[in-house]
Amino acid sequence: GAVVSQHPSWVICKSGTSVKIECRSLDFQATTMFWYRQFPKQSLMLMATSNEGSKATYEQGVEKDKFLINHASLTLSTLTVTSAHPEDSSFYICSAPAGGGPFYGYTFGSGTRLTVV
Amino acid sequence: GQQLNQSPQSMFIQEGEDVSMNCTSSSIFNTWLWYKQDPGEGPVLLIALYKAGELTSNGRLTAQFGITRKDSFLNISASIPSDVGIYFCAGQETSGSRLTFGEGTQLTVNP
Repeated sequence: GAVVSQHPSWVICKSGTSVKIECRSLDFQATTMFWYRQFPKQSLMLMATSNEGSKATYEQGVEKDKFLINHASLTLSTLTVTSAHPEDSSFYICSAPAGGGPFYGYTFGSGTRLTVV
Repeated sequence: GQQLNQSPQSMFIQEGEDVSMNCTSSSIFNTWLWYKQDPGEGPVLLIALYKAGELTSNGRLTAQFGITRKDSFLNISASIPSDVGIYFCAGQETSGSRLTFGEGTQLTVNP
């Protein structure tokens, strides 16, 4: 089945530093990937849509200069949290259309727990 | 924007009992998806529904796509302890578009 690998699974960083999270589709190609943020006991909030070979589309209220997204290949999208602050601490999850197409649901990565101290 | 109302927010049941949860939308979706999320993990797809009125099963799970396209339910029969987790519904307007998530149902199963 379609697998999305996300790395790292957790990271602790100091305030002001940057953190990169990788999302890979292992057995399929994904022209589109989605990045979500989830706070404790809350639902998933879409941050941005990552498009291979073009600029990402950000949701309203998400700072594009703070959350840099790069989708350089059909199997890899990265999210970089720049100049991280404690309020950026959250669970970040990526997703891609399973099997590369829209009719098989969306497969999620296992998430990255970011803690900014 | 679109809103998905998922209920109940939480459920506490005994092992062996059946469970039902549902989602309603303020607008029409062409796809309904049900996911389960374990602590510290990403959501895992349980059932995908692509046609109004569709009833689909996956083991002890059954889900239906409402005829109006504005609602869906998920049933779990004969619950077991490993069913514990958060269940999310998600709707999609058109193929390839973003998912809108419900707020989740926290399920606790007492042995």
